Amino acid sequence: DAKTTQPTSMDCAEGRAANLPCNHSTISGNEYVYWYRQIHSQGPQYIIHGLKNNETNEMASLIITEDRKSSTLILPHATLRDTAVYYCIVRARTGNQFYFGTGTSLTVIP
Amino acid sequence: GAVVSQHPSWVICKSGTSVKIECRSLDFQATTMFWYRQFPKQSLMLMATSNEGSKATYEQGVEKDKFLINHASLTLSTLTVTSAHPEDSSFYICSADTQGSGELFFGEGSRLTVL
Repeated sequence: DAKTTQPTSMDCAEGRAANLPCNHSTISGNEYVYWYRQIHSQGPQYIIHGLKNNETNEMASLIITEDRKSSTLILPHATLRDTAVYYCIVRARTGNQFYFGTGTSLTVIP
Repeated sequence: GAVVSQHPSWVICKSGTSVKIECRSLDFQATTMFWYRQFPKQSLMLMATSNEGSKATYEQGVEKDKFLINHASLTLSTLTVTSAHPEDSSFYICSADTQGSGELFFGEGSRLTVL
């Protein structure tokens, strides 16, 4: 079962930062926070993951609170192509099942 | 990044027939693959976990005799929907686990329509 809660939908103006929150209050010490996104009728695309430190890559930044009970995915300069459903998932590093919650439908507005 | 390929991308079949969907990891070995189903406007639902060389583990409520999973090699897992019915029409997605990175790589999905 999914162990995360996310807002159902969000809007963001093109060119602005999109901040997508996720609550994972029951996360275990060995579980990572993963973010994926799914554009309509495609397979999910990996964005970023982290354990406890903040992470950044070419796509996004991941901010994890010190108690690890929540995190925020930041898309620094949202474009129209970032319109998608974003999923926050917690999982031990390998081998364990990967359960999707309901995700956040992000709409980037021109 | 690692590539996972599914085939076919879409398939239409008659009710009562069986359909096989293939999932291949193209540039890495996947000891574990996962199969998901997604209905319109819903999230991905995990159906089963497929381990190379052993029987698949099915999630609660998923009929193992209807959704046959075979993971005969480290690069190929197949899902066979047996005696398909219109309610089996869905988007089926596979993913492969890479031992090193911890990322899960997903295929492009296969859309099944049962008439």
